[in-house]
Amino acid sequence: AQSVTQLDSHVSVSEGTPVLLRCNYSSSYSPSLFWYVQHPNKGLQLLLKYTSAATLVKGINGFEAEFKKSETSFHLTKPSAHMSDAAEYFCVVSVADYKLSFGAGTTVTVRA
Amino acid sequence: DAGVTQSPTHLIKTRGQQVTLRCSPKSGHDTVSWYQQALGQGPQFIFQYYEEEERQRGNFPDRFSGHQFPNYSSELNVNALLLGDSALYLCASSLVLALSTDTQYFGPGTRLTVL
Repeated sequence: AQSVTQLDSHVSVSEGTPVLLRCNYSSSYSPSLFWYVQHPNKGLQLLLKYTSAATLVKGINGFEAEFKKSETSFHLTKPSAHMSDAAEYFCVVSVADYKLSFGAGTTVTVRA
Repeated sequence: DAGVTQSPTHLIKTRGQQVTLRCSPKSGHDTVSWYQQALGQGPQFIFQYYEEEERQRGNFPDRFSGHQFPNYSSELNVNALLLGDSALYLCASSLVLALSTDTQYFGPGTRLTVL
């Protein structure tokens, strides 16, 4: 069965500094991987997805993620955090059965 | 173009009651999935509907049932409510998922509180 593990439950950064959210996956097949963001009282929004076309994936709002098969990782990064990046982030895997399996989430706080 | 909409926004029920949640998919989408997100956790897949049939089901009891209408909208029904059913219920829509990379678009959710 496919699953993801988000290695940090909470990440705190200063505005303007880099953000790194770590995710490891487990899958018997070639996985499809996603990062979603959830702002308070808002729905889940897709940041980016890995579709095997390129290992470095660029998403919205300056986020990007790199797929590393040898490390079974799909870490999310952003060079410079903004106050509006404060939210809950989910790493997600989907395989042939089409359902999404979510990680437990990482809460990002941004200090002024 | 309207995105995924869900109703109601909030709902309060008591144990043993039944509840129905509603979802309208994004325009042009034909597949609806439902997820349960307990407080402080990631969403858990409940089931998925396509062509008015349940296509996939997660590890949820039969108290959870659903329906998809010809216009692709969907309902989630939960019978015999338990305190543990308190959660945010999310609906996601997509085109028929021929590929696992197809994007699912989420609605804002319905917050269910069971007292």
